[in-house]
Amino acid sequence: EPEVTQTPSHQVTQMGQEVILRCVPISNHLYFYWYRQILGQKVEFLVSFYNNEISEKSEIFDDQFSVERPDGSNFTLKIRSTKLEDSAMYFCASSPNNSPLHFGNGTRLTVT
Amino acid sequence: GESVGLHLPTLSVQEGDNSIINCAYSNSASDYFIWYKQESGKGPQFIIDIRSNMDKRQGQRVTVLLNKTVKHLSLQIAATQPGDSAVYFCAETAYSSASKIIFGSGTRLSIRP
Repeated sequence: EPEVTQTPSHQVTQMGQEVILRCVPISNHLYFYWYRQILGQKVEFLVSFYNNEISEKSEIFDDQFSVERPDGSNFTLKIRSTKLEDSAMYFCASSPNNSPLHFGNGTRLTVT
Repeated sequence: GESVGLHLPTLSVQEGDNSIINCAYSNSASDYFIWYKQESGKGPQFIIDIRSNMDKRQGQRVTVLLNKTVKHLSLQIAATQPGDSAVYFCAETAYSSASKIIFGSGTRLSIRP
């Protein structure tokens, strides 16, 4: 069964550094998403992406965040200048139409 | 603001018994509901979904019930197995808009041998 794959599985970075989290969505999917989950909390929506543009974003997704689909297979989340509170699991998801979403296993981001 | 929430944070069930996980939602505009299972170290995994024009939907060992009158959703797992141990999230969205899915707080299901 096709899967959403995310790399790296764990990323450690220093506060103020830029990080790029990478995702390969399922190949025939059209809708792409990033969510995050702070340890022990619920999964929070960050951004949705369709037809090469952001379709919706949350308050969390401020100017420090950006997404890109640089080619036909990758979907990336960039955090320009990381803060301690950005430490979380970041999940990429994709879907062929509206729902349901298929999630990757996440990247654990630790900001020190 | 609008939110999806769960009645119980943890649920302990005897292996072989049925499990019932409950969820309340408050966004009247939501018309599509999904249950996800999250095992340790993994992403949310789709279990079952239901649209608002239905009140019950069955899958393999799982049933979702939707009560729109009281904005309540439940997940029933029949003959609970050790592999069912996980955190279960309900989620809501508006089906027609490919909109964001809003997750609830999660219920941890643990299985007693």
